[in-house]
Formats: sequence, C-alpha cells, structure tokens
Amino acid sequence: DAGVIQSPRHEVTEMGQEVTLRCKPISGHDYLFWYRQTMMRGLELLIYFNNNVPIDDSGMPEDRFSAKMPNASFSTLKIQPSEPRDSAVYFCASSLILDSPLHFGNGTRLTVT
Amino acid sequence: AQSVTQPDIHITVSEGASLELRCNYSYGATPYLFWYVQSPGQGLQLLLKYFSGDTLVQGIKGFEAEFKRSQSSFNLRKPSVHWSDAAEYFCAVKGNQGGKLIFGQGTELSVKP
Repeated sequence: DAGVIQSPRHEVTEMGQEVTLRCKPISGHDYLFWYRQTMMRGLELLIYFNNNVPIDDSGMPEDRFSAKMPNASFSTLKIQPSEPRDSAVYFCASSLILDSPLHFGNGTRLTVT
Repeated sequence: AQSVTQPDIHITVSEGASLELRCNYSYGATPYLFWYVQSPGQGLQLLLKYFSGDTLVQGIKGFEAEFKRSQSSFNLRKPSVHWSDAAEYFCAVKGNQGGKLIFGQGTELSVKP
C-alpha cells in the first residue's frame, strides 16, 4: 500500500498563474478529501468526494478554486488565477467509508509570489 | 456547530516525563473523536480514535486518550515521552452521522533532552 500520493511536493508560482495540485488516493477508498493548512486558519476542509462525485464543496474559498475527480484513482485541485493569500500546504486524504479514519498524503506546499 | 479547542499552542516536556495534551469539543450528540500527529513536512497520521464503548482508548506509539462526556474532553496522554514524539498533535471531531471532520488548531510538542 503506497498510501496517498500527492504531487508536486512544492510549488512556487507567480500571482495570476494557474496551479494544479494532484492526488492519488489509496486504492479501494471511496472518499477523497482536500484540506488546506495555514498558520492562521489551521486545517480547513475544502471539498470531499464520494465515489468520484463531489459531496460538499462548501469549504472552497471562492470561484478561483475548483476540484475534479475524473476517476477513482485521481483527483486535482486547481487554482486559477492564484493569489499570494493562497499560499498554504494543501493535503489530500482518503478513507474507506465516511466514518473511517483519514489517510493523508504528505501535502503540497504552495507559495504564490 | 461542531468545534474543537486545543488550549495549548505549544508544550515542552523533558524526555521520559509524562505528557497530557488537552482537547475539548463542542457537539450536540456523541461525537467520533480522533487524535492525529504531524511530523515536519509530513501528512497527518492517525494515533487513535473513539467511536463508542470503553472511554479509554489505546493508540499507536504508546499513546492513549480518555473520553469524558461530562467535561466534553478527549485528552491525549503518554506516560513517558521520547524525543521522537516531538511533532504537532491535532484533535478532531466528527458527528456520528457523517459530516465533516473538524480539526483543532493543533498543539506543538517539543521534547527536551
């Protein structure tokens, strides 16, 4: 079991550019979550999917953020256009069912200059 | 609304000393409770969870936590801390009928030699 795999580990981009973060959940896990971690706000749930379908996106900060899950083994979180305040660590996590513990990836550290 | 409070932002203990990290939650019914640990540059790893039953739960790495409904608390303990326990610790709560996993702000643990 390779765990949840996120790429890239680090991303540095200029304000206004498009950023795409990627996630491969653990095989067989039906739920996928995107979290954002900042010093000021801690860990915030952005969106989660069940069987590739977005269930709750109420945590997505604004329309600049979008997430997709085209199949059971891949998800993306896109920010377009990026802004300096988007700088954070973005975590992807997956779980077998909704109430089972989350398995986290190692995160993508995003810096927008 | 559910919420989690970790009153201590940073704690320092000596190696070999006992540890208790505090967590208080707010939820109208019986919650599902979790403790996660995050090492620098890593994702979160589950230490232990409480769903129901025995209110004292054992986790990995020698950690335990006790659910106290009357105090709305779920404090994490370890009888003897090791230098490798230095990390950030997050308490989290979820409603027992699904819903979001809400994290506390985290407690950073430093271990003195």
